[in-house]
Amino acid sequence: DVKVTQSSRYLVKRTGEKVFLECVQDMDHENMFWYRQDPGLGLRLIYFSYDVKMKEKGDIPEGYSVSREKKERFSLILESASTNQTSMYLCASSTIWDRVTASSYNEQFFGPGTRLTVL
Amino acid sequence: SQQGEEDPQALSIQEGENATMNCSYKTSINNLQWYRQNSGRGLVHLILIRSNEREKHSGRLRVTLDTSKKSSSLLITASRAADTASYFCATGSGYKLSFGAGTTVTVRA
Repeated sequence: DVKVTQSSRYLVKRTGEKVFLECVQDMDHENMFWYRQDPGLGLRLIYFSYDVKMKEKGDIPEGYSVSREKKERFSLILESASTNQTSMYLCASSTIWDRVTASSYNEQFFGPGTRLTVL
Repeated sequence: SQQGEEDPQALSIQEGENATMNCSYKTSINNLQWYRQNSGRGLVHLILIRSNEREKHSGRLRVTLDTSKKSSSLLITASRAADTASYFCATGSGYKLSFGAGTTVTVRA
């Protein structure tokens, strides 16, 4: 089974702190994603990475940066946390080519989420 | 940007009843996926339907896709308490998925 793990389930930080959220997947997936989830807004894509050291902005990248130095690990960084970044953060991964279905229509596998509170 | 919109926002049914939720989207898609999220947890993939498919089944799940109307429906038959969760549709284009805000389903015992 694919496993995506996130470094913390709950995190409380103060305004202005630098925050690191880590995500690790064990299925050798090429793609990794960071989303934030807020009530009534669903999941919004912050950043995604399709290869080591490669990244692309999602829909709401402002105030965030990412790092992917190894294939299995994708980090989300809040350079200076603010209260409006209080949210649930979800990491996901997917592969480029699904050998089972012989297609590129691939599901994303999610971690359990990190609930971040910025005071 | 949020592509899919689920309807209704919330649904409460008795155990054993069927639950139906709908998803509408705006632009052309390669595939549409449905995910489930139990309270405060990550999302779990349920089923994927490609743009050239009209209906798909998986256990108690039935998904339909109407690309002319840009809409999909998810039917859960013979619901159980364990089906209590939020359900999201996600439209796929390339590597990325765009998620709707979800339908919260409560199954009463």
